[in-house]
Amino acid sequence: DTAVSQTPKYLVTQMGNDKSIKCEQNLGHDTMYWYKQDSKKFLKIMFSYNNKELIINETVPNRFSPKSPDKAHLNLHINSLELGDSAVYFCASSHLTYNTEAFFGQGTRLTVV
Amino acid sequence: ILNVEQSPQSLHVQEGDSTNFTCSFPSSNFYALHWYRWETAKSPEALFVMTLNGDEKKKGRISATLNTKEGYSYLYIKGSQPEDSATYLCAFLSGGSYIPTFGRGTSLIVHP
Repeated sequence: DTAVSQTPKYLVTQMGNDKSIKCEQNLGHDTMYWYKQDSKKFLKIMFSYNNKELIINETVPNRFSPKSPDKAHLNLHINSLELGDSAVYFCASSHLTYNTEAFFGQGTRLTVV
Repeated sequence: ILNVEQSPQSLHVQEGDSTNFTCSFPSSNFYALHWYRWETAKSPEALFVMTLNGDEKKKGRISATLNTKEGYSYLYIKGSQPEDSATYLCAFLSGGSYIPTFGRGTSLIVHP
């Protein structure tokens, strides 16, 4: 009964590859987010989708492209991976209309070698 | 870019001590302030959602207060226990974007 699930949990890949991280929430939330955790554990917002529409896109390389096929899913696709993309990526969801807290997925540790 | 500051950056206390930390955020266009607890190798989990100036919330030994006019919130832990060791994050939501913008957290270590 995982509320927000991300797959995979670990991803090791070579520079230059293209990879995707999937996120699904079963909470009926209307908003989903991608955060990047830096080396000092700081969570930086990357993207946010409300009802499948992009509402925020912070300054991230355009190699990162979010895709939201429906309200319950927000996938992150990364092209031409670079060493500096290595980090933990967290998906989260909330219900903006009811001002709920954010619920986080387990995180995906991406290592680019 | 919204400026959300937390202090101190880290804190070591002895079991049984009470402690508190601060979250500072913009005092204009306030929508909500969240507190999260983040244990090592886990995901952040919400403690409180605070929306009104003067709000006080409590969950067991942990409580929080909110001052939206001056832009700060305090988190208090009474009688700290080793299992309280974690990073405590606050997240500010403005009336413009409604997106949780996180501070860098306060890392709490409670020594037995």
